[in-house]
Amino acid sequence: GQQVMQIPQYQHVQEGEDFTTYCNSSTTLSNIQWYKQRPGGHPVFLIQLVKSGEVKKQKRLTFQFGEAKKNSSLHITATQTTDVGTYFCAGGTGANSKLTFGKGITLSVRP
Amino acid sequence: DSGVTQTPKHLITATGQRVTLRCSPRSGDLSVYWYQQSLDQGLQFLIQYYNGEERAKGNILERFSAQQFPDLHSELNLSSLELGDSALYFCASSVVDGEKLFFGSGTQLSVL
Repeated sequence: GQQVMQIPQYQHVQEGEDFTTYCNSSTTLSNIQWYKQRPGGHPVFLIQLVKSGEVKKQKRLTFQFGEAKKNSSLHITATQTTDVGTYFCAGGTGANSKLTFGKGITLSVRP
Repeated sequence: DSGVTQTPKHLITATGQRVTLRCSPRSGDLSVYWYQQSLDQGLQFLIQYYNGEERAKGNILERFSAQQFPDLHSELNLSSLELGDSALYFCASSVVDGEKLFFGSGTQLSVL
């Protein structure tokens, strides 16, 4: 079946450093979504990408969908302690298809 | 506030018991999803309902069952509970399949 992989599972950065994480799918995706889960909270939708090579920005967060639509990246510029949490990517394979979540990457930020 | 309501927030029970988790989706959302989250397994998809009918099944054990009622709320029933069933159970809803999910705040289940 379809697999969505996020490696590593944990990353620690110093506040102010940039952070990049990747999401890789075993199959071509129709869309990819990113979610953020704060400690003790629930996943919250961040963004959806649907076009090959698409880049979207939200303040200090930049999301990109790969040209082959099999991978995606999340880049955070100048991390802040508010960026702490687990970031999940989730891939869909077509209209009305269920999303497959990666295991997430937990980001910690040292002040 | 996502608009998705889950009850109870916490549940402590013993092995062998049966519990029911409840979820009310956002107003207008027809799809309801159940996920199990444990430390080492991430978000595991259990089951999805769309407008009262089962739409997709994931890694749901035979001891677990779910249903969606005419008013679109959903219940997840967990029976013959084992220690390993201890986890955070999330419900999520969406307008249609593949669209962004709105998650509830979860039910933390502890099986002792």
